[in-house]
Amino acid sequence: SAVISQKPSRDICQRGTSLTIQCQVDSQVTMMFWYRQQPGQSLTLIATANQGSEATYESGFVIDKFPISRPNLTFSTLTVSNMSPEDSSIYLCSQGTSPTEAFFGQGTRLTVV
Amino acid sequence: GIQVEQSPPDLILQEGANSTLRCNFSDSVNNLQWFHQNPWGQLINLFYIPSGTKQNGRLSATTVATERYSLLYISSSQTTDSGVYFCAGSGGGADGLTFGKGTHLIIQP
Repeated sequence: SAVISQKPSRDICQRGTSLTIQCQVDSQVTMMFWYRQQPGQSLTLIATANQGSEATYESGFVIDKFPISRPNLTFSTLTVSNMSPEDSSIYLCSQGTSPTEAFFGQGTRLTVV
Repeated sequence: GIQVEQSPPDLILQEGANSTLRCNFSDSVNNLQWFHQNPWGQLINLFYIPSGTKQNGRLSATTVATERYSLLYISSSQTTDSGVYFCAGSGGGADGLTFGKGTHLIIQP
C-alpha cells in the first residue's frame, strides 16, 4: 500500500489569501488526485494531476481558483486561491488509477475566516 | 460519469448489533472500494473489492458486479466502529473516484 503525506494537516486562513497544500507519495505514481470535502458532505474530485502535463479539472473547478503543480512523479501541490469562507473544507490527495486501489493522505482541514 | 447511491444514510445501533450497508452504482465500476472516515477526517481503506467477497475480522464485503451493487457487513459492532462509511468507484472512462454520500453510523454503548 502507498503512504501519502499531506501538509499542513490543518490551517486557519484569512479571506482573500491563498494556501498551498503539499502531497508527497512514497513511490512514483502516474496520476495523483485532489478531492474536496465540504462540511457534512461527501468527497468530490477537484482535478487529476499528471506529471508533465496540465491538470485536468472536473466540472465546477477552475485552474485560476485551484492551481495545481506536479513537478515529479512523487509530489503535487494544490493551491486554494483568493479564499472565502465557502472554501472551508477538508482537502485530500490520493494516488491510484483504475483499476488499482486508491490510498489517501490524512487530509488538510482548512478554515477560512 | 457514474452515480453512487448509499443506504441507509444514517444508522444508530446498540453495541453488539450487526449491520449491512449498501452501495448501488449506475454503471460498471473498475475499482470499488469501501472507506471509513474517522473523526479527524482521515479515510481508512477497508476493502478494495471490484467483485467477490472479502473478510477482515468483524468486517466483510461482497460485490456483485453484474448487478452493480456492493454490501458492507459489520458484525458485533463496537463503539469504535462509529463514523462515516463511504463506498467509491471509478468508471465511465474516468480515473478518479466517485463517492457515495456515505452512511453515518453511530454505535451506542
